[in-house]
Amino acid sequence: AQTVTQSQPEMSVQEAETVTLSCTYDTSESDYYLFWYKQPPSRQMILVIRQEAYKQQNATENRFSVNFQKAAKSFSLKISDSQLGDAAMYFCAYRSTVYNQFYFGTGTSLTVIP
Amino acid sequence: DVKVTQSSRYLVKRTGEKVFLECVQDMDHENMFWYRQDPGLGLRLIYFSYDVKMKEKGDIPEGYSVSREKKERFSLILESASTNQTSMYLCASSYTPGNTIYFGEGSWLTVV
Repeated sequence: AQTVTQSQPEMSVQEAETVTLSCTYDTSESDYYLFWYKQPPSRQMILVIRQEAYKQQNATENRFSVNFQKAAKSFSLKISDSQLGDAAMYFCAYRSTVYNQFYFGTGTSLTVIP
Repeated sequence: DVKVTQSSRYLVKRTGEKVFLECVQDMDHENMFWYRQDPGLGLRLIYFSYDVKMKEKGDIPEGYSVSREKKERFSLILESASTNQTSMYLCASSYTPGNTIYFGEGSWLTVV
């Protein structure tokens, strides 16, 4: 089974600053999808950003961008101009194009300091 | 917008009780999933279903079963609840590979 590793259980950032959350994964597949999900204290998990492995260009969504390093199997999330509403648990996820499953990391709890 | 609805947000059950957690999605998704979320362990897949009446075991299926009689509904069953099944349970759905997975709000289950 694929594994997804988030080595930072907790991170903090000053409001308006930039923070990077790390994620690595292990796979033998060449084609797959990677995601970052956000889970605010209300518990509804929502999609932040999605990356297709065959695309070299890093995905961006407003203040959120990724650094996708396929050879290194690394997929980090950068949050620019951090806002109080960014405080949440962030999960990195991998989806195989062969197996119909998602694999999640253990999460990084992000605190935004006013 | 996609909506995944979990019927119960908070449940308290006694050890040995049979527990049903219901999940309904409104987007005609083929795939539905049940995850368990525990602090420090992230999300762990219990079961998933890629079609009506079809199911596959995930990483931690022991003590659980599932039912998918209709495409929009996926039920998680705890045959005989135990205290170590106290957790947050998340239902999710998606189209076939590559597509985003959509989550319900979660069901907090406490087994006493």
